[in-house]
Amino acid sequence: GESVGLHLPTLSVQEGDNSIINCAYSNSASDYFIWYKQESGKGPQFIIDIRSNMDKRQGQRVTVLLNKTVKHLSLQIAATQPGDSAVYFCAEGGDSWGKLQFGAGTQVVVTP
Amino acid sequence: DAGVTQSPTHLIKTRGQQVTLRCSPKSGHDTVSWYQQALGQGPQFIFQYYEEEERQRGNFPDRFSGHQFPNYSSELNVNALLLGDSALYLCASSLTGGPNEKLFFGSGTQLSVL
Repeated sequence: GESVGLHLPTLSVQEGDNSIINCAYSNSASDYFIWYKQESGKGPQFIIDIRSNMDKRQGQRVTVLLNKTVKHLSLQIAATQPGDSAVYFCAEGGDSWGKLQFGAGTQVVVTP
Repeated sequence: DAGVTQSPTHLIKTRGQQVTLRCSPKSGHDTVSWYQQALGQGPQFIFQYYEEEERQRGNFPDRFSGHQFPNYSSELNVNALLLGDSALYLCASSLTGGPNEKLFFGSGTQLSVL
C-alpha cells in the first residue's frame, strides 16, 4: 500500500552543525506534507508544513524541501542545538479528512 | 490558550476489559482525530470526529469506537482489549479537519494491556 518512509532511523549530529532528515513518499496524490518533532513522553509537535505547489519553505532555523519528481521530502535544521534531540516524523496528507500518513520516524541525537 | 488536553496520562488494563480515553481540543477547534502510536513507530490514524459524527475512519476494527460531544470534546472507547492494543493514544485537533490542515496533538494516553 501507500506509505511514507524515512531513509535513516538514527541521525547523530554535533551541536552547531546542520541536520538533514530525509523522507520518501509513495502516494502521488498527496499534496500536503508536514514535519513533526516528538520528544520523549510528549505528543508530536508541529514544525513546518509545505504544499505540493511549493518546492521549499523556510521557518525559524528549519527548511523543508519537496522534490515531487522523485517523491522526496527533507527537513534541514540549521545550527542544531541539544533541544533539537527528538524523533522527527514526516507525514503526508491531502487525500482524506484529518488523516495524516506518518513515517516511522528518525531519532536525532545531538552530541556536544 | 490551552492546547489539546488528554486524560488520563497513563492507564493499565487487563485483556478483555474496556477503556475510555478523553480529549479536549485546542480552543477554537471543532474537529478531533485519534491516532494510535505503537512503540518505535509513527502514529496510525484511527478516526476523525466532526459535528459529533465519525467523518473518516482508518483501518481499525469495530472494537474501537468514539464519540464527540457538543462542546467538541471527544472520547475513544476500546472494547475487549488485546495485548496488542498497548500503545500511546494521541488526540489531535484542527480547525475544520480538512485534508490540507495541520493537526495539533496532545501528549497522549499511554495504555498498557496486561
